[in-house]
Amino acid sequence: AQSVTQLDSQVPVFEEAPVELRCNYSSSVSVYLFWYVQYPNQGLQLLLKYLSGSTLVKGINGFEAEFNKSQTSFHLRKPSVHISDTAEYFCALDRGSTLGRLYFGRGTQLTVWP
Amino acid sequence: GAGVSQSPSNKVTEKGKDVELRCDPISGHTALYWYRQSLGQGLEFLIYFQGNSAPDKSGLPSDRFSAERTGGSVSTLTIQRTQQEDSAVYLCASSPGGASNQPQHFGDGTRLSIL
Repeated sequence: AQSVTQLDSQVPVFEEAPVELRCNYSSSVSVYLFWYVQYPNQGLQLLLKYLSGSTLVKGINGFEAEFNKSQTSFHLRKPSVHISDTAEYFCALDRGSTLGRLYFGRGTQLTVWP
Repeated sequence: GAGVSQSPSNKVTEKGKDVELRCDPISGHTALYWYRQSLGQGLEFLIYFQGNSAPDKSGLPSDRFSAERTGGSVSTLTIQRTQQEDSAVYLCASSPGGASNQPQHFGDGTRLSIL
């Protein structure tokens, strides 16, 4: 079975502070991992993805994530957040088969305060 | 170019009525997915279409839910005899193919409210 756990449902931070959103996964097969962001009343937008190769992946808006196979984690980080980063963030897993369906975590609401 | 388009953006209906939700994928995308986003359950996979292959319906929660995709493009998700627990945001996504390394592009969703 596949599952994705986002350990924090809400993360409040002040503007220009660093942030880490945590994601752990379980899977019996190799996986692809994604982070999506959702702004209010909008769909999901891809931030970054890990398919293979370098374990440190960089995405849009200054975000990056590190794939750690031994710890089955894929934490999202940004060194300095802006108020515009306030949104809900979803970690997602794909089994790496041809099916392509995604298994999502419950989401983390990031709120950036001035 | 145009992204994934969903209509209506909001739908309010009475319990017991049938509803149809529409998704226009990005042109040329052969894979199409439906997900449901609700407060209690998070984001759940519903159904997946890939080209002319039989759809993967494994995520549909009951036989009141069905979906079709005509001509390999537009898809309609139908919910019959709606219940209050069907209230959620229904998201559609498409990708160039069904392979896992091709990220899914999401529409803005249809917010369904059952009274």
